[in-house]
Amino acid sequence: AQSVTQLDSHVSVSEGTPVLLRCNYSSSYSPSLFWYVQHPNKGLQLLLKYTSAATLVKGINGFEAEFKKSETSFHLTKPSAHMSDAAEYFCVVSVTGTASKLTFGTGTRLQVTL
Amino acid sequence: EAGVAQSPRYKIIEKRQSVAFWCNPISGHATLYWYQQILGQGPKLLIQFQNNGVVDDSQLPKDRFSAERLKGVDSTLKIQPAKLEDSAVYLCASSLGTAKETQYFGPGTRLLVL
Repeated sequence: AQSVTQLDSHVSVSEGTPVLLRCNYSSSYSPSLFWYVQHPNKGLQLLLKYTSAATLVKGINGFEAEFKKSETSFHLTKPSAHMSDAAEYFCVVSVTGTASKLTFGTGTRLQVTL
Repeated sequence: EAGVAQSPRYKIIEKRQSVAFWCNPISGHATLYWYQQILGQGPKLLIQFQNNGVVDDSQLPKDRFSAERLKGVDSTLKIQPAKLEDSAVYLCASSLGTAKETQYFGPGTRLLVL
């Protein structure tokens, strides 16, 4: 079985400060890991994905995530938050070879204040 | 490139009524997915199609939910009869079709069952 746990349901940061959204995964096999973002009334958009290549993955809009097998973590970071980053973020796991079956976490709502 | 299209965007019905949602995937995408996203939770896969065949419908409540993709392009998800707990956002996604391919999501249909 595969699962992800997003450790914070809500994170609030000031504009210009770093962002850290935490995710731990559980998988019996080599996982593929993703971060998706969901803005209000819009579809889910892929931020970045890890598929067993480089452990540090760079995504769109300045986000990146590091795959740490020893810690079973895949935390999402950004050096400087922007107001437009306010949204719901989902950590997602897929097991290799299962035709892209995704299991989503419960989401972290990111609030960015002035 | 046009994205995944869904309609309607919003629907309000009374319990025991029926409802249908439509999805048109990105052109050329062989795999189509329907997800249910209940408020405060991550999306949960209901059914996955590869062309016009069902790959995975293990989490589809088949006593009331049905889906089809007759010509291997667009798809319809139906609920009959609806229950209060079916209130959710129904997301459609598509991918090229091979394992690990990125899934592209539509804006979703928000259903409220009264």
